[in-house]
Amino acid sequence: AQSVTQLDSQVPVFEEAPVELRCNYSSSVSVYLFWYVQYPNQGLQLLLKYLSGSTLVKGINGFEAEFNKSQTSFHLRKPSVHISDTAEYFCAVTKGLKTSYDKVIFGPGTSLSVIP
Amino acid sequence: DGGITQSPKYLFRKEGQNVTLSCEQNLNHDAMYWYRQDPGQGLRLIYYSQIVNDFQKGDIAEGYSVSREKKESFPLTVTSAQKNPTAFYLCATSTRLDEQFFGPGTRLTVL
Repeated sequence: AQSVTQLDSQVPVFEEAPVELRCNYSSSVSVYLFWYVQYPNQGLQLLLKYLSGSTLVKGINGFEAEFNKSQTSFHLRKPSVHISDTAEYFCAVTKGLKTSYDKVIFGPGTSLSVIP
Repeated sequence: DGGITQSPKYLFRKEGQNVTLSCEQNLNHDAMYWYRQDPGQGLRLIYYSQIVNDFQKGDIAEGYSVSREKKESFPLTVTSAQKNPTAFYLCATSTRLDEQFFGPGTRLTVL
């Protein structure tokens, strides 16, 4: 069974500073990995995904993440944050190389607060 | 305009009442999901459905029921058996790669 850990529940960062949100997963099989963002009182929307290929994945709003199989990590980064990046961020994992639907396991989330 | 709609956005219920949350999609996705979100917690899976007329329990199905009579619709009923139903409920659909698409959510409050 897969599991996801997001070590930081809250991350405060000053505007225009870089940020890294950490995500580690455990799985005995190959995986697909996702990062989602949730703004207050809204649903989640996909930031980026890793399915296969290049381990550096670029997403929307200037975010990127790097898949590290040996460290079982998929950390999210942005070189310069904006006030509008204040939100909850969720890392998620599911089985890779699939032929049918499967459950997606979500991490507990990291609350990013950008300070003006 | 493709997407997922959930209604109502806010719902208030008295203890002992059943309520039904609506979820409709026009993305033509086969799979649909219901999640519950509590403050400071991640998403917990209630039920999911991969095809019409079939659905499976998730991790916290007790006190909830669903139906999937049409591909576009996956309503969730919160029954009086659910001990602590106050939460934010999210409906989602997915592609075969399990990329999830979420609706705007329904906030249920039990008075």
